[in-house]
Amino acid sequence: KQEVTQIPAALSVPEGENLVLNCSFTDSAIYNLQWFRQDPGKGLTSLLLIQSSQREQTSGRLNASLDKSSGRSTLYIAASQPGDSATYLCAVTSRSGGAQKLVFGQGTRLTINP
Amino acid sequence: AAGVIQSPRHLIKEKRETATLKCYPIPRHDTVYWYQQGPGQDPQFLISFYEKMQSDKGSIPDRFSAQQFSDYHSELNMSSLELGDSALYFCASSYRPIASPLHFGNGTRLTVT
Repeated sequence: KQEVTQIPAALSVPEGENLVLNCSFTDSAIYNLQWFRQDPGKGLTSLLLIQSSQREQTSGRLNASLDKSSGRSTLYIAASQPGDSATYLCAVTSRSGGAQKLVFGQGTRLTINP
Repeated sequence: AAGVIQSPRHLIKEKRETATLKCYPIPRHDTVYWYQQGPGQDPQFLISFYEKMQSDKGSIPDRFSAQQFSDYHSELNMSSLELGDSALYFCASSYRPIASPLHFGNGTRLTVT
């Protein structure tokens, strides 16, 4: 059974700092890994998608890496801003019963202090 | 670009009532997924459909049922509602059920009183 763990559960840093969020998964037989952002009570916004054959993806100040063999991914946020404050969720897709199923981590609640 | 549309955005029901949540996937997406997110919890997979057939089933209570229609929209029907059913319900869609990114709607917040 796939399990996804995110560390830390919460993180508070001053504005402008670079930071790293960690995600680990137990079953390396994944199709892809997605990082999402969720604001309180809101929907899930997809930030980056890394296919299992890829090692990293970049979008603006965000960079996500994937090491499938070790079951790890990191989300790097450069020059953090107060608007980056949100919960960041990592999720992996594994095949189950003929269709992919997203398994989420518990998320990292990020607070960027002005 | 068109996104996944969910309705209603908010729904308040009493215990033992029924509720129907609707999901309209991104055009040309043929796969729909339903997730439930309780307060402070990560989203949990409920059920998925591919080409109008159920493709996978997760932790969905027997009181819940869902289907995907010929126009690919999906409905989640919830009966005999319990207080514990209060949650944010997300629908996601993708093109083909394997290895393509999931796009999520903004969710329906269900409150059972």
